[in-house]
Amino acid sequence: GAGVSQSPSNKVTEKGKDVELRCDPISGHTALYWYRQSLGQGLEFLIYFQGNSAPDKSGLPSDRFSAERTGGSVSTLTIQRTQQEDSAVYLCASSPPTHTAIAKNIQYFGAGTRLSVL
Amino acid sequence: KQEVTQIPAALSVPEGENLVLNCSFTDSAIYNLQWFRQDPGKGLTSLLLIQSSQREQTSGRLNASLDKSSGRSTLYIAASQPGDSATYLCAVLNQAGTALIFGKGTTLSVSS
Repeated sequence: GAGVSQSPSNKVTEKGKDVELRCDPISGHTALYWYRQSLGQGLEFLIYFQGNSAPDKSGLPSDRFSAERTGGSVSTLTIQRTQQEDSAVYLCASSPPTHTAIAKNIQYFGAGTRLSVL
Repeated sequence: KQEVTQIPAALSVPEGENLVLNCSFTDSAIYNLQWFRQDPGKGLTSLLLIQSSQREQTSGRLNASLDKSSGRSTLYIAASQPGDSATYLCAVLNQAGTALIFGKGTTLSVSS
């Protein structure tokens, strides 16, 4: 597709269940990022991928959170044993290779997945 | 730890006014600074990106400035329109280029 695609757009789950959130970046974008936007909070960085590796995982809030990326494309963010404080909008972004001529490090965002933990 | 602050948190203006949104950051070691727009229920749209070596960028009615030494950026919107109503987010990219650090945003309402 033309933009970053995230699915599902909305997810309601019960406390204690595991959830998987999916991100399809823009074709050809090598960098992928996950962010979280909680009610009343700003956007918080979670994890950064370059290709299939994650050199910066510093924003993951606990070991219940993990993410992977396969084939240098699709990424999945997994939250295990969800808690109510995990309720937020999870945003994914991608950016093109840094050697490209266009402005470096512009991140293109998806519409997000709204997660509600009951 | 880098912190980004945006003032004001909310702003209401009549159509046609020129306005300024402010952003400050605590660590001047940044790769770049971006201004985004967020509409309710939507993702983020990049408005302007200023590299750390630049002082300002312009796009249409928008002008963003960067004073890295003082840790400040402003977004100037000329001749505001109701369609400009949205939340405006300022973000700095860390020097490693791996993470955007966001402010909490300024919610703008332009009345006709």
